[in-house]
Amino acid sequence: EADIYQTPRYLVIGTGKKITLECSQTMGHDKMYWYQQDPGMELHLIHYSYGVNSTEKGDLSSESTVSRIRTEHFPLTLESARPSHTSQYLCASTDTGTGYNEQFFGPGTRLTVL
Amino acid sequence: GQNIDQPTEMTATEGAIVQINCTYQTSGFNGLFWYQQHAGEAPTFLSYNVLDGLEEKGRFSSFLSRSKGYSYLLLKELQMKDSASYLCAVRDPTGANNLFFGTGTRLTVIP
Repeated sequence: EADIYQTPRYLVIGTGKKITLECSQTMGHDKMYWYQQDPGMELHLIHYSYGVNSTEKGDLSSESTVSRIRTEHFPLTLESARPSHTSQYLCASTDTGTGYNEQFFGPGTRLTVL
Repeated sequence: GQNIDQPTEMTATEGAIVQINCTYQTSGFNGLFWYQQHAGEAPTFLSYNVLDGLEEKGRFSSFLSRSKGYSYLLLKELQMKDSASYLCAVRDPTGANNLFFGTGTRLTVIP
């Protein structure tokens, strides 16, 4: 069973607030990802990281930022939330050195910005 | 660019067999994944194909034809708990080996 955690699971917040979505994994995976998914739509990659001190932008432009100071932790920050940021955010990780390199997903954070 | 197509919705009867198709056009190819996603939950890994042919895993099988840019997921002996979205994703080495997902096929299993 994959050990990847996200907090909070649900967040309702007002416009202009700064928020941080937490993601942690205990599997020692090197590569981590953040996806955005709207209901009935595909997952869009917004950020990824190859390892500590590595951050890259994904295919979907996002106003959020990420950091990777520790292998297990990959938080996502929105400096000023807007209603257009309302979505589900999924964190994932993979061990690029073994197996199929399948991605393991966290339970997601459902963000609503009023 | 990346283009991955799946049917939006399918309905099948409990105990039956269903095939979910996926066609893809990507800049590169380094494997195709199928994930299952129940409503409001995280996707979970089902299968992986990188060579042509059929991979079987219990009630689930996945097929790949790289020359046709085509894959399918076959679910046998359908159970009510199989009602979920099934996501096709292609790994593209020209895209940092990241996954590109289709919109998913929402499968409803009826009694």
